[in-house]
Amino acid sequence: AQKVTQAQTEISVVEKEDVTLDCVYETRDTTYYLFWYKQPPSGELVFLIRRNSFDEQNEISGRYSWNFQKSTSSFNFTITASQVVDSAVYFCALSEGAYNTDKLIFGTGTRLQVFP
Amino acid sequence: EAGVTQSPTHLIKTRGQQATLRCSPISGHTSVYWYQQALGLGLQFLLWYDEGEERNRGNFPPRFSGRQFPNYSSELNVNALELEDSALYLCASSLVSGPGSYEQYFGPGTRLTVT
Repeated sequence: AQKVTQAQTEISVVEKEDVTLDCVYETRDTTYYLFWYKQPPSGELVFLIRRNSFDEQNEISGRYSWNFQKSTSSFNFTITASQVVDSAVYFCALSEGAYNTDKLIFGTGTRLQVFP
Repeated sequence: EAGVTQSPTHLIKTRGQQATLRCSPISGHTSVYWYQQALGLGLQFLLWYDEGEERNRGNFPPRFSGRQFPNYSSELNVNALELEDSALYLCASSLVSGPGSYEQYFGPGTRLTVT
């Protein structure tokens, strides 16, 4: 069965702290894609990253970095030097199949609050 | 380039009525997806349309239905509204063939309130 677990319901940090959001997934497919989306208070989901199951290379984009480990079925997201604008709900999601064109299976989200 | 648009922004209906939500995909995208984000239930997949056909359906009753038009825009219809249908309905679009990557890009959502 496919499942995405984000065990952290809410995280609060002070600006400039580093924070890691955890994501653990379950799938029987050998080909799948993992995603992170950000949902600010406005409600619109903003795409952050896609990673396929064959690419375990970690990725860094500015203050954001992602650590994909198939051995532990995890796809964790780290924000370095957090800012107030990073406050949002972050969702990890899974899509199965070779072309990730089918539905996204979302975790329950982690609410990140960054205080000044 | 314009993103995914949804209308209306807010919709208030009475139990038993019908609701119609609309979505226009990013230009060039042929697939439209609908998700429900209800309080306490997270984001759940509802429907996927591509090239005018329903490709997949989530675990929702038949009173949730939709369609995709020749211009790839889509409608989500919810019949016989129940109080628990109150939620944010998000539409996403993507490419599903040809060159490019297939991420789903989301619209701002329609907040449906059933009283």
